[in-house]
Amino acid sequence: ETGVTQSPTHLIKTRGQQVTLRCSSQSGHNTVSWYQQALGQGPQFIFQYYREEENGRGNFPPRFSGLQFPNYSSELNVNALELDDSALYLCASSLEQFTEAFFGQGTRLTVV
Amino acid sequence: DQQVKQNSPSLSVQEGRISILNCDYTNSMFDYFLWYKKYPAEGPTFLISISSIKDKNEDGRFTVFLNKSAKHLSLHIVPSQPGDSAVYFCAASARYSGAGSYQLTFGKGTKLSVIP
Repeated sequence: ETGVTQSPTHLIKTRGQQVTLRCSSQSGHNTVSWYQQALGQGPQFIFQYYREEENGRGNFPPRFSGLQFPNYSSELNVNALELDDSALYLCASSLEQFTEAFFGQGTRLTVV
Repeated sequence: DQQVKQNSPSLSVQEGRISILNCDYTNSMFDYFLWYKKYPAEGPTFLISISSIKDKNEDGRFTVFLNKSAKHLSLHIVPSQPGDSAVYFCAASARYSGAGSYQLTFGKGTKLSVIP
């Protein structure tokens, strides 16, 4: 059984640019959530997708957007990157909306 | 406003002894609690969970205790092993409240070091 995989593992972008992060959910999982983990902090909820629909959103501006595809993989897009967007971005998948979330290894984004 | 608090940034324990990690929460809507373990360069790994209808849940060496009146939970690891050295995150959700998404609210984590 393949776990949650994220790509790329590391990324460096310039302020003002746009970035797309990708996540393949665990086999059979239809729910994907994205979290941002800044240095020294716990992960913060960005949004969740359930069966291709956004199902909840945390306190992040609209320049953070996402997609979920029919195979339940997902993308996180961030426009107009700011220095404070530098963080570890974690994707988590779960069997249904209300079951335990399994995390990928994360994408380390650095904005310079 | 931090809704989930882990007030100890770090904890050192001798191998074989008990590790107790603590977590406090403020949101009364939280009804489901989880502990995750995180090694460097890896994503968080689910350890154990507890719903608000219980006050204890056990899985092998890991036991989670919930005190709803105090809005406090703790993770006990017995006996502690060097491989348990990691950052432990407490997380909470309003899973059964009908609030919608299964949003996890995390604490800042406690770094556990188990000394051989």
